[in-house]
Amino acid sequence: DAKTTQPPSMDCAEGRAANLPCNHSTISGNEYVYWYRQIHSQGPQYIIHGLKNNETNEMASLIITEDRKSSTLILPHATLRDTAVYYCIVRVQTDSWGKLQFGAGTQVVVTP
Amino acid sequence: NAGVMQNPRHLVRRRGQEARLRCSPVKGHSHVYWYRQLPEEGLKFMVYLQKENIIDESGMPKERFSAEFPKEGPSILRIQQVVRGDSAAYFCASSPKAGPNSPLHFGNGTRLTVT
Repeated sequence: DAKTTQPPSMDCAEGRAANLPCNHSTISGNEYVYWYRQIHSQGPQYIIHGLKNNETNEMASLIITEDRKSSTLILPHATLRDTAVYYCIVRVQTDSWGKLQFGAGTQVVVTP
Repeated sequence: NAGVMQNPRHLVRRRGQEARLRCSPVKGHSHVYWYRQLPEEGLKFMVYLQKENIIDESGMPKERFSAEFPKEGPSILRIQQVVRGDSAAYFCASSPKAGPNSPLHFGNGTRLTVT
């Protein structure tokens, strides 16, 4: 089962930054935080991941608290095309690989 | 660069028929994963394969479902004697390496409808 807690839904105004919170209070030292999103009828899209340090790429920024118990995904300038379900996932190391298990996610609606 | 390619995009089968879903990973990726998304439900892991080997099949139903990733060619998810409850979107993903620091990249899925 997923080890994260996310709000079920949130709205964001187009052009503004979207800050998506995620709690993962039981995360272990070698577990990564991943973010994916799923736009309706499409496959999950990888956004970003991190272990301890904050990360940034062309899509988003990931801010991980110092104690690693929570993180925030930041979409700097939300557009209507960012409307999707966003999944925060702690990637659990099991045997030889890290299983990626999806929870319910946050339904983000970007409004004009 | 081509991403993960799945075909067909839509597949209709009658109860009792066989369904074969194909997945071509990103070029150079040797790790393939299959997930299923039932209507109005979340994505559930099914199986993880690395060329010619099944690494983790903990999410696969015990009967009627099988998966392979041969040395040459795409990965195949095979469902025998389909039932209405098999209707779902099946997503394939691939990665270049194993381990939790290697992101999975997903295809756009095959939507199976069993009539």
